[in-house]
Amino acid sequence: GAGVSQSPSNKVTEKGKDVELRCDPISGHTALYWYRQRLGQGLEFLIYFQGNSAPDKSGLPSDRFSAERTGESVSTLTIQRTQQEDSAVYLCASSPSVHTIYGYTFGSGTRLTVV
Amino acid sequence: DQQVKQNSPSLSVQEGRISILNCDYTNSMFDYFLWYKKYPAEGPTFLISISSIKDKNEDGRFTVFLNKSAKHLSLHIVPSQPGDSAVYFCASIIQGAQKLVFGQGTRLTINP
Repeated sequence: GAGVSQSPSNKVTEKGKDVELRCDPISGHTALYWYRQRLGQGLEFLIYFQGNSAPDKSGLPSDRFSAERTGESVSTLTIQRTQQEDSAVYLCASSPSVHTIYGYTFGSGTRLTVV
Repeated sequence: DQQVKQNSPSLSVQEGRISILNCDYTNSMFDYFLWYKKYPAEGPTFLISISSIKDKNEDGRFTVFLNKSAKHLSLHIVPSQPGDSAVYFCASIIQGAQKLVFGQGTRLTINP
C-alpha cells in the first residue's frame, strides 16, 4: 500500500481482556517496528522485525506482550490481560531495511484505552 | 535510562520568528540523528537528519545543528509558520543497530 496502515484506530477495552492490534507495512519494506507512546512520554521501542531474522523483543515491557509477523507482511501486536498502564498510542513503522538511516514511515497509530 | 532527552516539553513562538528545539543524548556511539514531526492523530513523519560527521544540515526553513562534544543537537525553524505547530521528536541511531531511540518530544506552538 501507499503507507503504513494500522487498525483499529481506537480501541477501548476492559481491564483483563486481551487485545490484538494490526499493522500493514509498506509493500517491500523488510523492517517493521512497534513503538508506543504513553501520555506525556516519548516513543518507547517495543519490538522490531527484519525479514526472516529473529525479532528484537528487547523493548517488550512484560510477557503479556507478544507480536508476530508473517514474512514481510502484516504484523499483529497482542496484549494479554490488559492493565490500565497499557493505555497508550501504539505506533507501527516500516522501513526498507538498508535505508533505515533515512527514517521510518509510521502509521497513524492505535489509541488503546484500558478502563 | 533515557539516552535521548528533550528537556522542554513545550515551546511557544511568534509567527515569523525563529523556533529552536533542543535535544541532548548520552550515548557517544550514536552516529545518526533525525527529527520527526507529529500532528495530532497522525503518526510521526520524518523531517530532517544529520550524520555525526557533519555539524549542520539545512533543508529549506529547517536546519539541524550537531555539537558532538556537547552531545547536543538542535532544530532551527525560520521563519516559523502556523503549520509548524506540532510535536517534534529527536531520535538517534547507531548505524547497523536498526533501532531508533526517541526523545520525549517538544510541543511547538506558533502564535499568529
